[in-house]
Amino acid sequence: GAVVSQHPSRVICKSGTSVKIECRSLDFQATTMFWYRQFPKQSLMLMATSNEGSKATYEQGVEKDKFLINHASLTLSTLTVTSAHPEDSSFYICSPAAIPYNEQFFGPGTRLTVL
Amino acid sequence: GESVGLHLPTLSVQEGDNSIINCAYSNSASDYFIWYKQESGKGPQFIIDIRSNMDKRQGQRVTVLLNKTVKHLSLQIAATQPGDSAVYFCAENPSFSGGYQKVTFGTGTKLQVIP
Repeated sequence: GAVVSQHPSRVICKSGTSVKIECRSLDFQATTMFWYRQFPKQSLMLMATSNEGSKATYEQGVEKDKFLINHASLTLSTLTVTSAHPEDSSFYICSPAAIPYNEQFFGPGTRLTVL
Repeated sequence: GESVGLHLPTLSVQEGDNSIINCAYSNSASDYFIWYKQESGKGPQFIIDIRSNMDKRQGQRVTVLLNKTVKHLSLQIAATQPGDSAVYFCAENPSFSGGYQKVTFGTGTKLQVIP
């Protein structure tokens, strides 16, 4: 299967700071990237969808100015949580859509803790 | 809105027994369903999928059953092993032919295997 990496795997930050999460598809090209958020003991909730070179499409209730998504290349997408607050503490998971695969792959996730 | 849900939040099974995890979905237009396994602190891992034109699909030790009449999906794991302990999510995609899969996840069932 395809290999997806996320960095960092864990991050702890102070309230008010910004945190950048990187997602890389290591052995395939991802023209579309999905970003999910998962709170403890809950399911994955889609935050946004981005296509390489285009602006991301955000799901209802997700603030686009708070969660900045950059998908500048076919192998890298970043999610920046700006002015993070404790309620942003969550598990963030990227999911690149690959060509020619039909299967959807997921990154290992990034645990964000905002103090 | 449409949703995908599960009947049981936690399932405890004796090692070696068969496990059955159930899922109810509400979007009758969905034509593609996936089961994912998520171990603690990791991203979801694809297990098996099924299209709406099928009732059953088998993999290695796993079988997915689809009952479109009652909008019910189940995952059967044969000879459950300790390594099967995880949270299992069913997910739906409104259109398999849509290319990139915007997946909607159910609430999840935690499977605990008792040695």
